[in-house]
Amino acid sequence: SAVISQKPSRDICQRGTSLTIQCQVDSQVTMMFWYRQQPGQSLTLIATANQGSEATYESGFVIDKFPISRPNLTFSTLTVSNMSPEDSSIYLCSAGGLNTEAFFGQGTRLTVV
Amino acid sequence: KQEVTQIPAALSVPEGENLVLNCSFTDSAIYNLQWFRQDPGKGLTSLLLIQSSQREQTSGRLNASLDKSSGRSTLYIAASQPGDSATYLCAVFNAGGTSYGKLTFGQGTILTVHP
Repeated sequence: SAVISQKPSRDICQRGTSLTIQCQVDSQVTMMFWYRQQPGQSLTLIATANQGSEATYESGFVIDKFPISRPNLTFSTLTVSNMSPEDSSIYLCSAGGLNTEAFFGQGTRLTVV
Repeated sequence: KQEVTQIPAALSVPEGENLVLNCSFTDSAIYNLQWFRQDPGKGLTSLLLIQSSQREQTSGRLNASLDKSSGRSTLYIAASQPGDSATYLCAVFNAGGTSYGKLTFGQGTILTVHP
């Protein structure tokens, strides 16, 4: 299976600032996704990162808050904008999942103070 | 809308026990089902993938079964070890409905294996 490198692995940020999380896959993949995992909760899909077009957001998530880029088939970024303490979560990048297993990066643990 | 439920929410067992984790899903239109392990504060590690046409998959001490028609899967862990302590997540890759082409996760089972 492919390997996903995600960075940063953790960060502590001031409220009102933005953080960009990077996700690099070691092979070309068609499907990439971004998830949020709030403390003590399971994973919630934020959006599907589409190569060459705008990301597809799930209900409750908007582009102004979580802009996503996907410039090619191996790389994507998620920005968490204008952060508040409620954004403190683990953010995870994922790829695959249709005919192959879905695999995940190690996550970015974000704390907003 | 697909819903995935995992039972039990938490499980504490002594080392050496065989145990079963349960996962159920409401919509049988799935491409596959996957079991993951998550250590505290970390990402997800894939354990087993079962395609919708398959009945079970095995890897070492782990065995996962799938009954798509009844919407159920079980993860069997043989001879549990303290290193197995983690949260176990079940997820289905949806083939229909509003969740088409996406993974839906259960809430997880927190497993503690004590020496």
